[in-house]
Amino acid sequence: SQQGEEDPQALSIQEGENATMNCSYKTSINNLQWYRQNSGRGLVHLILIRSNEREKHSGRLRVTLDTSKKSSSLLITASRAADTASYFCATGSSNTGKLIFGQGTTLQVKP
Amino acid sequence: DGGITQSPKYLFRKEGQNVTLSCEQNLNHDAMYWYRQDPGQGLRLIYYSQIVNDFQKGDIAEGYSVSREKKESFPLTVTSAQKNPTAFYLCASSNPNRDHIGYGYTFGSGTRLTVV
Repeated sequence: SQQGEEDPQALSIQEGENATMNCSYKTSINNLQWYRQNSGRGLVHLILIRSNEREKHSGRLRVTLDTSKKSSSLLITASRAADTASYFCATGSSNTGKLIFGQGTTLQVKP
Repeated sequence: DGGITQSPKYLFRKEGQNVTLSCEQNLNHDAMYWYRQDPGQGLRLIYYSQIVNDFQKGDIAEGYSVSREKKESFPLTVTSAQKNPTAFYLCASSNPNRDHIGYGYTFGSGTRLTVV
């Protein structure tokens, strides 16, 4: 079952612009994570935010979490062509450490 | 360097054949996972294992089997019962902390399986 739903499904921007992706989920969570996937490759962990956190930064990444709305956003500032990839949110909700992934947002950054 | 290795990178299966995908990690992670990804789709959980000699079914376990005889290895067998096995298969591992919140997964580079 898919827990997270990303919005938009696809996003195309110019280099230097900011990119914002949103994720909504259905059940209560312990944490929410964002991953990046380049075409045909495995996923790379970007950032994890715990359910008691509201905002987290890592380099050009900013993640927010609103547990009352069951939603999260990933902001990539000053985007680069190398940021072109698919981005997935994933929610962890139990002691198993099991993550449930959303469908992903495909980001294209044009040079 | 520590990491997680999947092999082979590409695999072709004939109708009615069983095939096994390899996943090995040297990160000393307790938990390991298998996901399936179809074109343009997200990841769906096939099986996962929290400790050696134990594993649980994920959302789409039918037609697949796994074993966890060693901490570092979690092979996935795609059986002939899986009617639509063509997909990209991803293995991951993690080491949930004592609070069970967990940290990020480390993924392998994937195996692309095609039925011919």
